[in-house]
Amino acid sequence: NAGVTQTPKFRILKIGQSMTLQCAQDMNHNYMYWYRQDPGMGLKLIYYSVGAGITDKGEVPNGYNVSRSTTEDFPLRLELAAPSQTSVYFCASSSRGQGGEQYFGPGTRLTVT
Amino acid sequence: EDKVVQSPLSLVVHEGDTVTLNCSYEVTNFRSLLWYKQEKKAPTFLFMLTSSGIEKKSGRLSSILDKKELSSILNITATQTGDSAIYLCAVEGGGGSNYKLTFGKGTLLTVNP
Repeated sequence: NAGVTQTPKFRILKIGQSMTLQCAQDMNHNYMYWYRQDPGMGLKLIYYSVGAGITDKGEVPNGYNVSRSTTEDFPLRLELAAPSQTSVYFCASSSRGQGGEQYFGPGTRLTVT
Repeated sequence: EDKVVQSPLSLVVHEGDTVTLNCSYEVTNFRSLLWYKQEKKAPTFLFMLTSSGIEKKSGRLSSILDKKELSSILNITATQTGDSAIYLCAVEGGGGSNYKLTFGKGTLLTVNP
């Protein structure tokens, strides 16, 4: 099992550009999450999904969009990138609701200049 | 608003020392408290504590949940340089489909040889 994979590992965007962060898991988990982590801060939930076709906003959803067309994939879309979106983004999955063990991907370090 | 506060924010010790990390919380409808270890990349799961499982131990690490004081501690005995990491506390709260995981800012532990 590869677990949770994320691409790309690093990316530099110019203000106003758009991009999609990819996330995939091969553990057949129903629950998937996107977090961002800023320096010295904990993880903040952006969006989550409880199954294919179902997504919901987390704590900091503004400026992002998600889709969940399959159980395996949960891409995160940034439209009109802003410097405030410079962060490390983690995707995670779990077999049950937000409690319990979440398996994290290796992260994507995004810089918007 | 749900809140998770960790202390200290950073800690430097020598190999062999014992450390205690603290986590206090204010959440609606507490369900569980989780501890994660984050080295250079993604967080990895350590423990989950609930009303029915208030104490967990794994090797040199142990954790206790105090539901009365709304807090938890993570103990690490005989620390090693490999214990150097950020330790994150997260609390699951809410209810129904509105549950969510709130993370603290983490404690940066540095273990010197």
